[in-house]
Amino acid sequence: AQSVAQPEDQVNVAEGNPLTVKCTYSVSGNPYLFWYVQYPNRGLQFLLKYITGDNLVKGSYGFEAEFNKSQTSFHLKKPSALVSDSALYFCAVRDYGSGYSTLTFGKGTMLLVSP
Amino acid sequence: GAVVSQHPSRVICKSGTSVKIECRSLDFQATTMFWYRQFPKQSLMLMATSNEGSKATYEQGVEKDKFLINHASLTLSTLTVTSAHPEDSSFYICSAHGVGVVETQYFGPGTRLLVL
Repeated sequence: AQSVAQPEDQVNVAEGNPLTVKCTYSVSGNPYLFWYVQYPNRGLQFLLKYITGDNLVKGSYGFEAEFNKSQTSFHLKKPSALVSDSALYFCAVRDYGSGYSTLTFGKGTMLLVSP
Repeated sequence: GAVVSQHPSRVICKSGTSVKIECRSLDFQATTMFWYRQFPKQSLMLMATSNEGSKATYEQGVEKDKFLINHASLTLSTLTVTSAHPEDSSFYICSAHGVGVVETQYFGPGTRLLVL
């Protein structure tokens, strides 16, 4: 079985400061990892993904994430937060090692950026 | 990125009626579409996987006779909530990945259903 853990319900950061939203995963095969952002009453917007290759992945709106196989983590980061980054962030995983092909989502982390 | 649309964006209906939600891939052909349900302040729960031209695969605990899914073309999937009840009120989100783009799912904007 595959699973995703987002240990923080909420992350608070001041505008201009760096932010990190944590994600760890569990799969039996190879992980394909994703970050999505959701604004109120909206669907999910794709931010970035790790499939293979460079462990540091750069995505939309200045976000990046680092794949760490030994720690089974895929934390989302941004060097300088904006108030407009305030939203709900979801980490998701697909396991391509076992043939299981659907996305499993974490419970989400609310990011609040204060002015 | 690829664009997925949903219609309607919100719907209010009386208990006992049926509601149809459409999900369209606007600039790519979607061999597979997914339907999710999201309760307030919770994560997305996969309801079913819809493959073009074949029957949908439902997740455990999802009533296939209540949530009818049709994927008649490579750009359209529909979810019909039959005989809706207040407990069916939720945010329904579809997603799709296209031919040759299987790694990434793109999501629709969601449909807010309120059953009175």
